[in-house]
Amino acid sequence: GNSVTQMEGPVTLSEEAFLTINCTYTATGYPSLFWYVQYPGEGLQLLLKATKADDKGSNKGFEATYRKETTSFHLEKGSVQVSDSAVYFCALLVNSKLTFGKGITLSVRP
Amino acid sequence: GAGVSQTPSNKVTEKGKYVELRCDPISGHTALYWYRQSLGQGPEFLIYFQGTGAADDSGLPNDRFFAVRPEGSVSTLKIQRTERGDSAVYLCASSLYGGTYEQYFGPGTRLTVT
Repeated sequence: GNSVTQMEGPVTLSEEAFLTINCTYTATGYPSLFWYVQYPGEGLQLLLKATKADDKGSNKGFEATYRKETTSFHLEKGSVQVSDSAVYFCALLVNSKLTFGKGITLSVRP
Repeated sequence: GAGVSQTPSNKVTEKGKYVELRCDPISGHTALYWYRQSLGQGPEFLIYFQGTGAADDSGLPNDRFFAVRPEGSVSTLKIQRTERGDSAVYLCASSLYGGTYEQYFGPGTRLTVT
């Protein structure tokens, strides 16, 4: 079956720190990969995506590269801001169904 | 334009009761999805509609759960004989078509079964 594993949280960083959130997956077929974000009090929003191996998704300073050889899609940002505090979900899409990881809470302190 | 809307935003019901949760997708979106998110977990797929028909209902946990989309727009998730384990946030999403099109999520309905 399909599954997504995210690193354990929560994560607390100081503003301007470098961020890496690990994500690995298991899938049948050829998944598309996503990072979704849920800001406090808001719904799930798509942050970035990659549809095939070696694609890099990017948005709002965040990046993730689809690595088929390591079945990974790690999220990175060079300099986090307080406004990046949220819950981040890694997900894969196969046959129109999204499979999500458990999510990780990021807190950025000033 | 308007996003995906869900009503009610919160629903508290007693064990054994019947509940209906409503989803209004983005206008023109042919695909509609229901997911369930338990506390501390990521959303889990329940069912996917393409138009009026359920294209994939493999995520429905048991026959107490049922969903309809009679006119290919609004959808209703129906839960019979609710149990405390049904307590969760129920999320609806829609996309222009199925496949790899981006899914846009609604704010969810928080269901609490007492």
